[in-house]
Amino acid sequence: NAGVTQTPKFQVLKTGQSMTLQCAQDMNHEYMSWYRQDPGMGLRLIHYSVGAGITDQGEVPNGYNVSRSTTEDFPLRLLSAAPSQTSVYFCASSYGAGASNEQFFGPGTRLTVL
Amino acid sequence: KNQVEQSPQSLIILEGKNCTLQCNYTVSPFSNLRWYKQDTGRGPVSLTIMTFSENTKSNGRYTATLDADTKQSSLHITASQLSDSASYICVVSAGDMRFGAGTRLTVKP
Repeated sequence: NAGVTQTPKFQVLKTGQSMTLQCAQDMNHEYMSWYRQDPGMGLRLIHYSVGAGITDQGEVPNGYNVSRSTTEDFPLRLLSAAPSQTSVYFCASSYGAGASNEQFFGPGTRLTVL
Repeated sequence: KNQVEQSPQSLIILEGKNCTLQCNYTVSPFSNLRWYKQDTGRGPVSLTIMTFSENTKSNGRYTATLDADTKQSSLHITASQLSDSASYICVVSAGDMRFGAGTRLTVKP
């Protein structure tokens, strides 16, 4: 199993550009989520999904969209990139949404917005 | 104010030495507390999980403790190795997950 994969690993954007960060998992997990990690702060939840066709907002959803058309894929779209979105983005998945379920994280995407 | 505070922010120790990382939280009530290890350039990986009723959990050289009364947890690393150099993140689950900012550990030869 590849686990949770993310592409690209690095990306540089100009302010106002849009892009999609890809995330896929091959563990048949129902729950998937996106986090951003900034220096000196804990991971913050952007959006999450409890199953195909169902998405919801997390703590910091502004400027991001998600969709979940399949169990395996959960892309994150930046609509109009801003320097404040410079961060490392992690996708995670787990069997279920409950607190007892271990989340498995991807390797991350480091995004710089100029 | 973050509901999960970790200390120290960073720590440097010599290979073979022991160390203890701290996590204080105000999240209440909580379902469980996890410690994650995050290597540079990688995603976090779960080390231990403890529920409200557990007060210690080991994973090899890693031992986590939990005092639910004082809302404190610690992660003790025994006989450190160079591969222990990483960030260690405390996560408290209470409906949602609250992440600490992490402790950056460097083990030097």
